[in-house]
Amino acid sequence: DQQVKQNSPSLSVQEGRISILNCDYTNSMFDYFLWYKKYPAEGPTFLISISSIKDKNEDGRFTVFLNKSAKHLSLHIVPSQPGDSAVYFCAAINTDKLIFGTGTRLQVFP
Amino acid sequence: EADIYQTPRYLVIGTGKKITLECSQTMGHDKMYWYQQDPGMELHLIHYSYGVNSTEKGDLSSESTVSRIRTEHFPLTLESARPSHTSQYLCASSVHGGGGYGYTFGSGTRLTVV
Repeated sequence: DQQVKQNSPSLSVQEGRISILNCDYTNSMFDYFLWYKKYPAEGPTFLISISSIKDKNEDGRFTVFLNKSAKHLSLHIVPSQPGDSAVYFCAAINTDKLIFGTGTRLQVFP
Repeated sequence: EADIYQTPRYLVIGTGKKITLECSQTMGHDKMYWYQQDPGMELHLIHYSYGVNSTEKGDLSSESTVSRIRTEHFPLTLESARPSHTSQYLCASSVHGGGGYGYTFGSGTRLTVV
């Protein structure tokens, strides 16, 4: 039973445009969400997080939105840069353990 | 600058061999984790530890074992490697406080069993 879902396996965006990565979850007890960026053969790198008591958190080009009623969160990257090309994982915290989605591969082309 | 170290980065080994994947962190974190990731798939938690002499199995069943004799060290062992163990293994540690969570991952070990 997948508790964190990323239904889009890939996304292709032109440089300078907005990238929107989506994530859905099923467990209403999750109280904290994180986004990670991962390159092949590397460990995930933390990007941004959001507490369930908030609906938005912004850090530079990255903004995460949380819609608790829909159990949905999204990561916005604007403007997108070629260096953003990687796999992005959404994760939720359950009793101190991270539960990951399946990831979305983002490709930013010139 | 990495504060959590995994060795080796890459390992190709024959079936039946015993292997130990090393993970060390210098941050003094009590909580440590091992995740397994197959290509194109999500990261699955296979082991975790909340402190010295504490180890628990994660959500994904694994034939590996772990130990936590020192706070900074959390090695993972496979007694007899098989091709089905081929995967990427990621170690992480975490600290919770101030209403936030901080998880740090190592660079991973890509294991290939032939």
